[in-house]
Amino acid sequence: DAKTTQPPSMDCAEGRAANLPCNHSTISGNEYVYWYRQIHSQGPQYIIHGLKNNETNEMASLIITEDRKSSTLILPHATLRDTAVYYCIVDYNFNKFYFGSGTKLNVKP
Amino acid sequence: DAGVTQSPTHLIKTRGQQVTLRCSPKSGHDTVSWYQQALGQGPQFIFQYYEEEERQRGNFPDRFSGHQFPNYSSELNVNALLLGDSALYLCASSSHPAWGSSYEQYFGPGTRLTVT
Repeated sequence: DAKTTQPPSMDCAEGRAANLPCNHSTISGNEYVYWYRQIHSQGPQYIIHGLKNNETNEMASLIITEDRKSSTLILPHATLRDTAVYYCIVDYNFNKFYFGSGTKLNVKP
Repeated sequence: DAGVTQSPTHLIKTRGQQVTLRCSPKSGHDTVSWYQQALGQGPQFIFQYYEEEERQRGNFPDRFSGHQFPNYSSELNVNALLLGDSALYLCASSSHPAWGSSYEQYFGPGTRLTVT
């Protein structure tokens, strides 16, 4: 079973930051938080992952709370092409990923 | 550098038939995982192959089997197809995770299987 809880959908205005929350209150100390997105039933695309510290790459930033029970994926300047289903995954089982239902992000002009 | 590739793109089969799906991992990757994604749902883990052996398995019946070749490519076989097997089948590759480390998985575009 998925170990994460995400809102089923969110809206964001184009050009604004999109903040996608994820609850993983049962996360254990050695489990990583991964974020993927999936556009139009294409294969999921890796975005970012982290363990304890906040992470940033060219696509997004990942903010993990100090108790690690929740995290937020930030897309700093959302575009229409960021419309997708975003999955938050907690894993320490050699990449045996459990996907939940994800958050459908709708970026609107 | 080609990413993860899968073939065929689409496939239509009849109930009771058998099907084989193929996956080539991203260059440098040695671990292949397979996922099933039904319409409107998130992907579900089927199994994972490393060193030509099945290392992990999700909650799928024995009708689902696989194979990994010395070049790290992999096949997913499904026997006695049911209508409920209609789904997008995704292959993902990664470097084999070691204790205390993490590796991102890269997914292929998937094979759309329709069972009639």
